[in-house]
Amino acid sequence: EDQVTQSPEALRLQEGESSSLNCSYTVSGLRGLFWYRQDPGKGPEFLFTLYSAGEEKEKERLKATLTKKESFLHITAPKPEDSATYLCAVQDTGNQFYFGTGTSLTVIP
Amino acid sequence: SQTIHQWPATLVQPVGSPLSLECTVEGTSNPNLYWYRQAAGRGLQLLFYSVGIGQISSEVPQNLSASRPQDRQFILSSKKLLLSDSGFYLCAWSIRLYGYTFGSGTRLTVV
Repeated sequence: EDQVTQSPEALRLQEGESSSLNCSYTVSGLRGLFWYRQDPGKGPEFLFTLYSAGEEKEKERLKATLTKKESFLHITAPKPEDSATYLCAVQDTGNQFYFGTGTSLTVIP
Repeated sequence: SQTIHQWPATLVQPVGSPLSLECTVEGTSNPNLYWYRQAAGRGLQLLFYSVGIGQISSEVPQNLSASRPQDRQFILSSKKLLLSDSGFYLCAWSIRLYGYTFGSGTRLTVV
């Protein structure tokens, strides 16, 4: 059973076209939800940690939100340099981590 | 500051040859260390983790092994590589299990 599901698998946006990426999870007890950005051939880079439903975090054009069953990564007015794969990971109360397969974002100038 | 070093960045090895990938962490003590493999479209697969020197836990039975000879050093090894060992290998560390910091990764191609 998948613990973390990310959608869509791939997303193409025009520069300035805002959108959202989804991360849904099914772990029984959430300790934390993490968002990472990964550029091709590089390791994932930490973006945000969310711990409880209703929490929001922002960084430049990115905003992460959390509910009891899912998290959204909102991208406002994206630029080509925002193109990357965005990974979601969930840590349960047993300290197990589960990663999603990522959303590949392409922002077209 | 806390940093993680992983090398080499790319590696091409023949089938049946040995493997040694090294990861070192700076700026922290007694970190939890991890080796992950990432396959296209399949996400990150945890291979090994270590909570201390000489303490290795394996998540997936395979052709690989890991060792932690020093507090901040984590090594991924194989005696004989298989074609199926090809992939992108990532080392990571965490303190108190709150999120990861990843290395830059090693692209291994077994030919």
